[in-house]
Amino acid sequence: SAVISQKPSRDICQRGTSLTIQCQVDSQVTMMFWYRQQPGQSLTLIATANQGSEATYESGFVIDKFPISRPNLTFSTLTVSNMSPEDSSIYLCSVVSYEKLFFGSGTQLSVL
Amino acid sequence: QQQVKQSPQSLIVQKGGISIINCAYENTAFDYFPWYQQFPGKGPALLIAIRPDVSEKKEGRFTISFNKSAKQFSLHIMDSQPGDSATYFCAAGFEGGNKLVFGAGTILRVKS
Repeated sequence: SAVISQKPSRDICQRGTSLTIQCQVDSQVTMMFWYRQQPGQSLTLIATANQGSEATYESGFVIDKFPISRPNLTFSTLTVSNMSPEDSSIYLCSVVSYEKLFFGSGTQLSVL
Repeated sequence: QQQVKQSPQSLIVQKGGISIINCAYENTAFDYFPWYQQFPGKGPALLIAIRPDVSEKKEGRFTISFNKSAKQFSLHIMDSQPGDSATYFCAAGFEGGNKLVFGAGTILRVKS
């Protein structure tokens, strides 16, 4: 399975600021995704991070709020912009490897 | 069409007992049904998965039962142990783990 490293593991931020989350994979992967897990809730797909092109966002998520970069096949970043307390969640990077979806350990974000 | 309904929301089982979690899906095009296990502070980990061409898959103490006509599948944990205490998510999607739709999750507590 792929080994996925996410940084930071947790952060506490002030409203109105932005946070960039990094995701590093130990092998090249074609498909990389970002999920959100709100407190006590299930996982919701934010977007597919496409290498060399703009990310594909799911309904309810927009690029201005969640800009994503994917400069190569092992790395991606998700930025949570202009944060509000409603953005307090766990953000998870995930990749498909050997036709299975694997998750990083997540970034727990609290917005005050 | 895209929902996956999971029940129960929480479950308490005695050590050595059988834990059963149920899921129902709507999209008949789905052909991949994984279960994930999540411990606090960790990302979800793939536990076991099934494709609709089989009715049951067993890996150790974990078994998935699949009923294609009813559009339902379930996870059975035999001889449940305190170490199994975690949140379990079912999911449905397409072969390769792409764009999975997740259930709401079941918090399992195994009492010793």
